[in-house]
Amino acid sequence: DAGITQSPRHKVTETGTPVTLRCHQTENHRYMYWYRQDPGHGLRLIHYSYGVKDTDKGEVSDGYSVSRSKTEDFLLTLESATSSQTSVYFCAISETVGVTEAFFGQGTRLTVV
Amino acid sequence: SQQGEEDPQALSIQEGENATMNCSYKTSINNLQWYRQNSGRGLVHLILIRSNEREKHSGRLRVTLDTSKKSSSLLITASRAADTASYFCATDAGSEKLVFGKGTKLTVNP
Repeated sequence: DAGITQSPRHKVTETGTPVTLRCHQTENHRYMYWYRQDPGHGLRLIHYSYGVKDTDKGEVSDGYSVSRSKTEDFLLTLESATSSQTSVYFCAISETVGVTEAFFGQGTRLTVV
Repeated sequence: SQQGEEDPQALSIQEGENATMNCSYKTSINNLQWYRQNSGRGLVHLILIRSNEREKHSGRLRVTLDTSKKSSSLLITASRAADTASYFCATDAGSEKLVFGKGTKLTVNP
């Protein structure tokens, strides 16, 4: 299995609080992605990174920020969590984009109450 | 909006039957991939087809790609109960993003 881990795996937080999710890889892959998965919407791209300190927005980036200070870590931050951000969040890594397969973490189930 | 859209949203078949899922996308692509997700788990890569390929096989999987119609299909032959999962197509959308569709939920009844 590819070395990719997400933490925490589950989190319950209150509306308005900041939350940071971590994605850690041991594969030295260049690309890292954050997705959210909601019923009826499939996987939607939040942000992605194509290198250290190189990030860009996906289709649902409002309310989220990311940072990648090291190759192995990609952090997703909800500055002020809202109930609409209750979701399952997946991190993925790939060596190249679209040419080689992407490997997924096990997901983080976030509930904002 | 999402690059890939799978059709149908849900599919229920009997064991031994074939399952066909379709994916349509909007922009030019370099490659298209199919992934599988078992309930509550991360996605797992199944097969990749390049934009200059028309058909590709892997075991019981057959993928076709029609770039003129911007569509792809995934055929699972002789389905098994263990094939029950959601299936997603993903494209690079001609960029550095990896974009997924909404998925097809396949149920294979024993």
